Amino acid sequence: DVKVTQSSRYLVKRTGEKVFLECVQDMDHENMFWYRQDPGLGLRLIYFSYDVKMKEKGDIPEGYSVSREKKERFSLILESASTNQTSMYLCASSLGQGRNDVQFFGPGTRLTVL
Amino acid sequence: ELKVEQNPLFLSMQEGKNYTIYCNYSTTSDRLYWYRQDPGKSLESLFVLLSNGAVKQEGRLMASLDTKARLSTLHITAAVHDLSATYFCAVDFDSGGSNYKLTFGKGTLLTVNP
Repeated sequence: DVKVTQSSRYLVKRTGEKVFLECVQDMDHENMFWYRQDPGLGLRLIYFSYDVKMKEKGDIPEGYSVSREKKERFSLILESASTNQTSMYLCASSLGQGRNDVQFFGPGTRLTVL
Repeated sequence: ELKVEQNPLFLSMQEGKNYTIYCNYSTTSDRLYWYRQDPGKSLESLFVLLSNGAVKQEGRLMASLDTKARLSTLHITAAVHDLSATYFCAVDFDSGGSNYKLTFGKGTLLTVNP
């Protein structure tokens, strides 16, 4: 089975702190994604990566950056956390076949910024 | 900009009844995905619809895709309590080269009552 793990299930940080969210997949997937999920807004794509050291902006990249130094690991960075970044963050990965490419999701990290 | 609209957003139904969730999207695509999310859990892939007229069924759920109408439906037959969850549809579109990303609907919260 594909396994996508995230470093924390719950995280509480203070405004202005630098926050790192880590995601690891164990199926040698090419593609990795970071989403945030908010009530009434569904899932919104923050950043994605198609290869090591490659990244592309999603729909809401402002206030975030990412790092992919190894194929299995994709990190989301909040340079200076703000209260409006309180959310559920979901990581996903997919094989990278172009189309017909199911995304597999991690358990999520619920981040609260005080 | 690709828009994906689900309706209804909230659905309360009795056990044993039938109902349909609709997913409309705004841009040409022939790939659509349905996911399920249980409370406090991550997203799980239900169906992948890969062409116009595609129909997939598993248990009491059946999904179909009409690419000409830009519409997918998720039909629930004889609902049971275990189907209570949030259901998301997602549409893929070309983000450049051979890479594709998903745009999600806002989700339909289904509650099945005894």
